[in-house]
Amino acid sequence: ETGVTQTPRHLVMGMTNKKSLKCEQHLGHNAMYWYKQSAKKPLELMFVYNFKEQTENNSVPSRFSPECPNSSHLFLHLHTLQPEDSALYLCASSQDGTRRLAQYFGPGTRLTVT
Amino acid sequence: DQQVKQNSPSLSVQEGRISILNCDYTNSMFDYFLWYKKYPAEGPTFLISISSIKDKNEDGRFTVFLNKSAKHLSLHIVPSQPGDSAVYFCAASYPIIQGAQKLVFGQGTRLTINP
Repeated sequence: ETGVTQTPRHLVMGMTNKKSLKCEQHLGHNAMYWYKQSAKKPLELMFVYNFKEQTENNSVPSRFSPECPNSSHLFLHLHTLQPEDSALYLCASSQDGTRRLAQYFGPGTRLTVT
Repeated sequence: DQQVKQNSPSLSVQEGRISILNCDYTNSMFDYFLWYKKYPAEGPTFLISISSIKDKNEDGRFTVFLNKSAKHLSLHIVPSQPGDSAVYFCAASYPIIQGAQKLVFGQGTRLTINP
């Protein structure tokens, strides 16, 4: 059991829709991350939150909007996406101050934009 | 510009033999290296890591070797078991702010263990 859950697991949305992805971690970690995995590409870091503060925005388009209300929850709000945004979106968390330890990943949300 | 590369997209190994997965990196700022394993429809699962000040770390059947001068690391699995069949990702880490880390992933290598 990873301790990181994501909902929904699958999402199909039109380009004009607004939807949100949710991530919750039950591990007591302080840092949370959003990654994108497109077909045949490496995982790409999108956003990092540490102690609820966004510390990294990896040149992500503004149609992706993250929100971290507390250290256990992370959202990714989606608005007017493009078909090329179809991908697997993964959430991860890690423990503060222990960089040698891994990030723990959720199962991901498979997003299809039509 | 890909900073972490896994040049073999797939690898097939007979059960009981050694599996060797390779990874190359370009950025000297990386201070930890990690291996993840991923099954279909699941998120990546952490396997083993190594600090840049070490050259070997062992955990059961898994050993990671780091050659800093060559900017190369490898994961050895011995003996290989059918349950090891998965996609393996190499990742390199550097600090961004206290308590958080930036992971850069390779493309992954699909390992198949044949009975």
